[in-house]
Amino acid sequence: GAVVSQHPSWVICKSGTSVKIECRSLDFQATTMFWYRQFPKQSLMLMATSNEGSKATYEQGVEKDKFLINHASLTLSTLTVTSAHPEDSSFYICSARRPPGVGPDEKLFFGSGTQLSVL
Amino acid sequence: RKEVEQDPGPFNVPEGATVAFNCTYSNSASQSFFWYRQDCRKEPKLLMSVYSSGNEDGRFTAQLNRASQYISLLIRDSKLSDSATYLCVVGFNAGNMLTFGGGTRLMVKP
Repeated sequence: GAVVSQHPSWVICKSGTSVKIECRSLDFQATTMFWYRQFPKQSLMLMATSNEGSKATYEQGVEKDKFLINHASLTLSTLTVTSAHPEDSSFYICSARRPPGVGPDEKLFFGSGTQLSVL
Repeated sequence: RKEVEQDPGPFNVPEGATVAFNCTYSNSASQSFFWYRQDCRKEPKLLMSVYSSGNEDGRFTAQLNRASQYISLLIRDSKLSDSATYLCVVGFNAGNMLTFGGGTRLMVKP
């Protein structure tokens, strides 16, 4: 079963609305989660690193006021796309890193992604 | 120059063929290396980690050349189900920072 749950899978919204995407680690506590964006036929681009209990670290060129990240608990991080516009339409994926020693070798788990379409 | 570079393809191969992908990385301090597989609009899934000594998992063989800063993936006896995009991923800072290559698209045809 899924180790990291991401919701919703698909969002279609009008321009100007805000959209919240949730990422939950189901089997472990994740002090760090990552948010990525992927445009068609391009690779994943790291947007920000979400740190439990503190501010997220944003990559260069990513507007922190537009992409609000909240990591209020050890199992949940949320990404809110504020005042979404058509150019924000993309595939957003989260990942969570399982701490060493908790399970087998694979330490990074991805959510199933959210396809955002802004009309 | 991109930090992690891959030939985007597509590589169109018949079933049963052997196909190889290469990936180059620019950060010599990189510590960990992976190949991920991604199907269209799905999350990436770990295919295999890449070790300095080279490693094999069934039909898949991965190799790392630190001196030349490249990683390779060899797929033998290609199956239709191997059709996907293969992402080369390079990590540092104990795996907390991952950089993804642009991906190489593979299409296996009957």
